Amino acid sequence: QVQLQESGPGLVKPSGTLSLACGVSGGSISSNYWWSWVRQPPGKGLEWIGEIYHSGTTNYNPSLKSRVTISIDNSRNQFSLNLGSVIAADTAVYYCARNWGVDTVMVGSLDYWGQGALVTVSS
Amino acid sequence: DIQMTQSPSSLSASVGDTVTITCRASQRINTYLNWYQQKPGKAPRLLIYAASSLQSGVPSRFSGSRSGTDFTLTISSLQPEDFATYYCHQTYSSPRTFGQGTKVDIK
Repeated sequence: QVQLQESGPGLVKPSGTLSLACGVSGGSISSNYWWSWVRQPPGKGLEWIGEIYHSGTTNYNPSLKSRVTISIDNSRNQFSLNLGSVIAADTAVYYCARNWGVDTVMVGSLDYWGQGALVTVSS
Repeated sequence: DIQMTQSPSSLSASVGDTVTITCRASQRINTYLNWYQQKPGKAPRLLIYAASSLQSGVPSRFSGSRSGTDFTLTISSLQPEDFATYYCHQTYSSPRTFGQGTKVDIK
């Protein structure tokens, strides 16, 4: 059974950098999946942040692209999110998820998710 | 960006009812459409992928369909554990986008 677990600081100061890691267990991050980040501001809907393949290829949401970096560490079986120049509007629960590629029968759906990590941007 | 418009934004229903939630895409997305269920404080759960395929382990009372750029999630014989918020999600193009959600609560 694949499991994902987010980790990182729960409080980040404005203009700082939000950094989260997602550890994957029960499967190899080097398998033929993409690995995604999705966020959800309190009481609001879901927003796709971006995704990474084990080769390091990335896709980002243009609305965040200038501030986002997603990286992967195959040796540690984890991938990471960095979001720079954060503001209060970046306060959200951040989820990592496994993503079947869009060119598979699963059409890019997100089948395994982490429990989510609440990150608050405040001084 | 492709806009996904869900309707209604909320609905009240009783156990045993059949519930229908609609998601309209702003442009063609073929069958690159997925549905998720989210309960308070929990991560979303994949229900339907590719518009109409049932994810493993999901009860058969959940079904999905497509008509052009309109997609429908149907819950037949609503159960107590189905009261939740439901999201559609297009993966036809980047950025992937979600609908705004439909909250199903108890009448």
